Amino acid sequence: AQSVTQPDIHITVSEGASLELRCNYSYGATPYLFWYVQSPGQGLQLLLKYFSGDTLVQGIKGFEAEFKRSQSSFNLRKPSVHWSDAAEYFCAALSGSARQLTFGSGTQLTVLP
Amino acid sequence: DVKVTQSSRYLVKRTGEKVFLECVQDMDHENMFWYRQDPGLGLRLIYFSYDVKMKEKGDIPEGYSVSREKKERFSLILESASTNQTSMYLCASSSTGNGPSGANVLTFGAGSRLTVL
Repeated sequence: AQSVTQPDIHITVSEGASLELRCNYSYGATPYLFWYVQSPGQGLQLLLKYFSGDTLVQGIKGFEAEFKRSQSSFNLRKPSVHWSDAAEYFCAALSGSARQLTFGSGTQLTVLP
Repeated sequence: DVKVTQSSRYLVKRTGEKVFLECVQDMDHENMFWYRQDPGLGLRLIYFSYDVKMKEKGDIPEGYSVSREKKERFSLILESASTNQTSMYLCASSSTGNGPSGANVLTFGAGSRLTVL
């Protein structure tokens, strides 16, 4: 079955430290891949997406993600975390034959001052 | 700025009540979705619609129904609310577009937190 896995339920980093959130997918073919962020009490906002081409994707708020076909991964990174980045992050995938996204279970990010 | 508006941010209902959750988008999107969000489970798709008056079941449709009488409005209905339907409900929309570049990028509403007592 197609699935998206975010292995880390909760991550804590200090402000200014680097960040990497993991995402793995299980699909027959490379799906379209997305990262969304949800701030407390809000809906989800798209950070970035990968459809094809360059495997390093730049998004909003200084985030980037790297697609690695050999590892079936699409990890989200940020070189220096800000306190306002505290939120829940969701990875999602869409296969070519499907018409709706499959979401991972989310990673809650806490940023320490 | 494009928007998906969920009319009720917080609702408290009693077991057995009929509940309507309304969602309106102003982007002329063809596709609309209802998700349920629970801690540790991520987002699970309840129902979706690709056109007016059409609907398709998602992963967890039991206990829910939907209505799409107009392109911009997609309603989620709980015919008889139960305590296990206490959750955050998220509405989203997307365009079909031509190819993947603009399609399938979901725009979400702020969510409706439902408590069933």
